Amino acid sequence: KNQVEQSPQSLIILEGKNCTLQCNYTVSPFSNLRWYKQDTGRGPVSLTIMTFSENTKSNGRYTATLDADTKQSSLHITASQLSDSASYICVVGAPYNNNDMRFGAGTRLTVKP
Amino acid sequence: NAGVTQTPKFRVLKTGQSMTLLCAQDMNHEYMYWYRQDPGMGLRLIHYSVGEGTTAKGEVPDGYNVSRLKKQNFLLGLESAAPSQTSVYFCASTGGQETQYFGPGTRLLVL
Repeated sequence: KNQVEQSPQSLIILEGKNCTLQCNYTVSPFSNLRWYKQDTGRGPVSLTIMTFSENTKSNGRYTATLDADTKQSSLHITASQLSDSASYICVVGAPYNNNDMRFGAGTRLTVKP
Repeated sequence: NAGVTQTPKFRVLKTGQSMTLLCAQDMNHEYMYWYRQDPGMGLRLIHYSVGEGTTAKGEVPDGYNVSRLKKQNFLLGLESAAPSQTSVYFCASTGGQETQYFGPGTRLLVL
């Protein structure tokens, strides 16, 4: 069973609208939680990195939140643009081991004009 | 800086053939990784390296070998390709507990 579950699997929104993507994880303990954007046919690109003690991190129109008590994170996208169409991947990193990162399957976002 | 580059971009193999995927980074990173990405699944770690001359197994290492003879290069080898190895392969690098930089990926089809 994947230790990082993302929802929804896919989402379609109209340009200019906001949306929120969810990530639930069971990795424990953990040291950091990351969100990546992956355009079709490209490698993932980092959006945000939060340590276990942080509860929010922004990068332009992207805002990630983290609730370590409930083991949930969300990625909020404001005023969506056509270029936001991509897969968004949640990644949870275990402590003491930089190589132990658990990847979610991603949410596929489509922004339509 | 070119960042992380991968060659080839696409390859078709027949079952039993061998090949090597090359990953190169120009950011002087110590850590390098090979992942595979399959539909509906998260990226899975195949092998990784914490420095020149060192390699270690990840989550799904069977059927793959790696080498890190130079700090900037990380090679992934398939000795005898199988259809189950059809996937998209990503290389990544990082300097530590920070951002991972990914390459553009290699699409491999094993017939």
